Amino acid sequence: DAGVTQSPTHLIKTRGQHVTLRCSPISGHKSVSWYQQVLGQGPQFIFQYYEKEERGRGNFPDRFSARQFPNYSSELNVNALLLGDSALYLCASSTTYLGQRKGSGANVLTFGAGSRLTVL
Amino acid sequence: AQKVTQAQTEISVVEKEDVTLDCVYETRDTTYYLFWYKQPPSGELVFLIRRNSFDEQNEISGRYSWNFQKSTSSFNFTITASQVVDSAVYFCALSGPYNTDKLIFGTGTRLQVFP
Repeated sequence: DAGVTQSPTHLIKTRGQHVTLRCSPISGHKSVSWYQQVLGQGPQFIFQYYEKEERGRGNFPDRFSARQFPNYSSELNVNALLLGDSALYLCASSTTYLGQRKGSGANVLTFGAGSRLTVL
Repeated sequence: AQKVTQAQTEISVVEKEDVTLDCVYETRDTTYYLFWYKQPPSGELVFLIRRNSFDEQNEISGRYSWNFQKSTSSFNFTITASQVVDSAVYFCALSGPYNTDKLIFGTGTRLQVFP
């Protein structure tokens, strides 16, 4: 079975441009999350979508937006790019996102290889 | 607020040495989940383990073991008899009870294992 696939793998943009990143979750996974990983740092949560609805949003400006399609794939859009937006953008999928009963396990996020964005 | 601290930025060892990666977390939730992920140079985060706050039993999986101590808010990871293939960046992460896809990651520990 295919894992989480992301495209493009690498891209270079200039300041002020717009970028769209795409993600296809694992078959059967309905939840998609986006993370930004700046060089040398841990990933930071941007968005989470479940059943096409936004279920979580991190501390990112309105220049960042996302959506999920009926087939559960997702797009992350970033407008008016800044140099500081240069990062590895990771997509992750899971079956559901809700914490479960005491004593049982949480979902496990499966990550894609990421899209490396360079803003010049 | 939730926070994960990995104080060790980089660790270098020689093959077959044992190495422990430290993770300290902060949360006000009584139910929470802890994770370890491995990030090889390819960039893809690989899941290693999850633990919920009600299960303090330590776990061993092959050369990997995890020590969860709620009293010190720590969830440390030990690799026994390290190998060159263990070289990667390792992240500890925390989630709350209501959205387990929203992970708070530490800054990671880069492990280099030399032959």
